Amino acid sequence: EAGVTQSPTHLIKTRGQQATLRCSPISGHTSVYWYQQALGLGLQFLLWYDEGEERNRGNFPPRFSGRQFPNYSSELNVNALELEDSALYLCASSLIRVTGHSPLHFGNGTRLTVT
Amino acid sequence: TQLLEQSPQFLSIQEGENLTVYCNSSSVFSSLQWYRQEPGEGPVLLVTVVTGGEVKKLKRLTFQFGDARKDSSLHITAAQPGDTGLYLCAGADSWGKLQFGAGTQVVVTP
Repeated sequence: EAGVTQSPTHLIKTRGQQATLRCSPISGHTSVYWYQQALGLGLQFLLWYDEGEERNRGNFPPRFSGRQFPNYSSELNVNALELEDSALYLCASSLIRVTGHSPLHFGNGTRLTVT
Repeated sequence: TQLLEQSPQFLSIQEGENLTVYCNSSSVFSSLQWYRQEPGEGPVLLVTVVTGGEVKKLKRLTFQFGDARKDSSLHITAAQPGDTGLYLCAGADSWGKLQFGAGTQVVVTP
């Protein structure tokens, strides 16, 4: 069974540009979660998609957005990039809505560097 | 907002020593998950604790959920270099959003 895959693995952008990050969940998983992992700050919840709909978002500005496609893959878009957006962006999938009993399966992340 | 605090932030020990990592919150969680993250990889689930007072063992790792379901601990006995990694605790709220602590970086040297 293939795990969660993310692309690209590394992305270098300049301030003000836009970045698009992609995620393919484990086959059969309908929920996709996006987290930002900045140095020393742990994992910060960004977005949750389930069955093609945005179900919840974290405390991030609107320039962070995304979508989930009919095949349950997902995109995270970051507009008007700022230096502090530099971080590891992790995607995770789960079989059902996380209730605390179902695990999240993470990809290896996309390292975004904004210069 | 439910906040999970982990301590210590960093722990460096010699192979064979024991260590304990703590995860505390002012809020009650229905359950807590522990993950380990190694460099260049995403976090991997170690265990889920559900019942207050529950203790789970995974080889040399012992996980405990506090009676009030506000705190949890991870104890590693006779640590090995392969235990090196970032240990993260996470609690799910009623909306299905998993809140993570900032993590404890554990380094075990031979």
